[in-house]
Amino acid sequence: LAKTTQPISMDSYEGQEVNITCSHNNIATNDYITWYQQFPSQGPRFIIQGYKTKVTNEVASLFIPADRKSSTLSLPRVSLSDTAVYYCLVVMNTGFQKLVFGTGTRLLVSP
Amino acid sequence: ETGVTQSPTHLIKTRGQQVTLRCSSQSGHNTVSWYQQALGQGPQFIFQYYREEENGRGNFPPRFSGLQFPNYSSELNVNALELDDSALYLCASSLVAGKGGYGYTFGSGTRLTVV
Repeated sequence: LAKTTQPISMDSYEGQEVNITCSHNNIATNDYITWYQQFPSQGPRFIIQGYKTKVTNEVASLFIPADRKSSTLSLPRVSLSDTAVYYCLVVMNTGFQKLVFGTGTRLLVSP
Repeated sequence: ETGVTQSPTHLIKTRGQQVTLRCSSQSGHNTVSWYQQALGQGPQFIFQYYREEENGRGNFPPRFSGLQFPNYSSELNVNALELDDSALYLCASSLVAGKGGYGYTFGSGTRLTVV
């Protein structure tokens, strides 16, 4: 399984765009890049998943360069409620899968 | 569509005791996995059940065991509790569909404290 590295913490202000970069140098051909969000005392919640280039949904965008050795989660115009821990995961797309979480990035959004 | 429900939400046990945690899967999901999350850490995979059989296990000792029932609900049992077992235990249900990390629904967890 590919190991992921992401910043331990980030600070932002309401209304700003936040970009969290994750490196996954050993990503394999069949791996997807997946991001989860977790609030205190709650289970992680799926945000977005991609394989290559750019994926956008109603809450975030995910940018993946051609070599797929890194990815960037972009949160547009964050609010106080976006304060949470964000996990970058690399997950196989076939067979038995387990989610391997690192320590994540703790995002603090201030007024 | 119902989500994943875990019970109880909080639990205090004494070292050496046994505990059973329960999980009801999201409607339509046939796979359940359990994770342990210590304070300040990411969730760590314990094991996964598919069609009532364990089909994957993380680095946890045999005193961590589980069951999946025909209705896809699940139990996590921990014997001979140790202080280090204090953590948030998360259940996640999913469909085995080979779509990476998409489609996992987590419950809010059971906070276990061992004293």
